[in-house]
Amino acid sequence: EAEVAQSPRYKITEKSQAVAFWCDPISGHATLYWYRQILGQGPELLVQFQDESVVDDSQLPKDRFSAERLKGVDSTLKIQPAELGDSAMYLCASSVTGKAEAFFGQGTRLTVV
Amino acid sequence: KQEVTQIPAALSVPEGENLVLNCSFTDSAIYNLQWFRQDPGKGLTSLLLIQSSQREQTSGRLNASLDKSSGRSTLYIAASQPGDSATYLCAVLDNNDMRFGAGTRLTVKP
Repeated sequence: EAEVAQSPRYKITEKSQAVAFWCDPISGHATLYWYRQILGQGPELLVQFQDESVVDDSQLPKDRFSAERLKGVDSTLKIQPAELGDSAMYLCASSVTGKAEAFFGQGTRLTVV
Repeated sequence: KQEVTQIPAALSVPEGENLVLNCSFTDSAIYNLQWFRQDPGKGLTSLLLIQSSQREQTSGRLNASLDKSSGRSTLYIAASQPGDSATYLCAVLDNNDMRFGAGTRLTVKP
């Protein structure tokens, strides 16, 4: 069964360092989402791609976060510099279109120390 | 701005009970509503997707209903089992994005 792949599963980094997460969506899925989930809360959208184009990045802290999906397939989310408040689960999801069922990866648990 | 609320925040039931989880949303102009399950430290597993034109969806012991006009959805779990223990999240897809509630943490006691 096709899955959304994310790596790494866990990441510990010191504050002010750079960190990057990778996501490979289900093959053929044009829409890709990055979400951040703080413990005990629901996921919050950071950025949404349709193919290689950004559809929504209104909640992305652009002073330190960046995201790209250069060939419209896999995607990278970067944080530079990391802050203590960035500690969270980072989830990637994909769907065939922006209106279809979304499938999530296992997430990357980030701890900033 | 779409607001999604899930009640209760936590629920503990004995094994075998039937239970209902609630999800409400403020803007009825939605494309679909999706229910997810999340185990501790893991990603989200899709359980059921209800299109805006549908009233309910069923999968095994799970049944989800949607009343778009009142901004409500329920997830019914029949004959609960300890393996159902997890956090259940609902997400609403509207014209802007997919917005989540904070979830209901379910514990099913043997």
